[in-house]
Amino acid sequence: AQSVTQPDIHITVSEGASLELRCNYSYGATPYLFWYVQSPGQGLQLLLKYFSGDTLVQGIKGFEAEFKRSQSSFNLRKPSVHWSDAAEYFCAVVFMEYGNKLVFGAGTILRVKS
Amino acid sequence: DTGVSQDPRHKITKRGQNVTFRCDPISEHNRLYWYRQTLGQGPEFLTYFQNEAQLEKSRLLSDRFSAERPKGSFSTLEIQRTEQGDSAMYLCASIRQGSYEQYFGPGTRLTVT
Repeated sequence: AQSVTQPDIHITVSEGASLELRCNYSYGATPYLFWYVQSPGQGLQLLLKYFSGDTLVQGIKGFEAEFKRSQSSFNLRKPSVHWSDAAEYFCAVVFMEYGNKLVFGAGTILRVKS
Repeated sequence: DTGVSQDPRHKITKRGQNVTFRCDPISEHNRLYWYRQTLGQGPEFLTYFQNEAQLEKSRLLSDRFSAERPKGSFSTLEIQRTEQGDSAMYLCASIRQGSYEQYFGPGTRLTVT
């Protein structure tokens, strides 16, 4: 079955440190993948997306993600975290056979310590 | 503001009452999606519309839930006889024809007491 796994429920990093959030997917065809960010009580903001082509994609706010087909992964990275990056991050895959609905992981809560 | 809007942002209701939420998508977007997000989980798909046609409903959408998009513009999600398990954030998203990028509204937080 199509699914998205985010193994880390919480991650704490120091301000200025690098960040990597993990995402693994299970999908039979070529996946279309997204990372969204959600601040408390807010909706979802798209950080970046991968459809095809270059496997390293750049997004907003200095984030990037790398698609690795052999590992079924789409990990999110940022070289230097800012306190304002504290939020919850969701990885998602488009389920194209069913009206392009999104299937989300359970999310990773990022805490930034000063 | 040309983004997706939802109303109300917060709703507190007593068990057994009916509630209705509204979503206004981005104007040129022909597809509209509803998701539900409970605490500690990612959003889960409920249903979607292409123009005014409701094309799919999740098994999460029990008989107490109904959604409409009467003129292919705004959509409403109604929950009848609310239960405490309905407490969640209800998110709406829209997408334009041929795209895969969903734009989300701020959500409606429902609390059933």
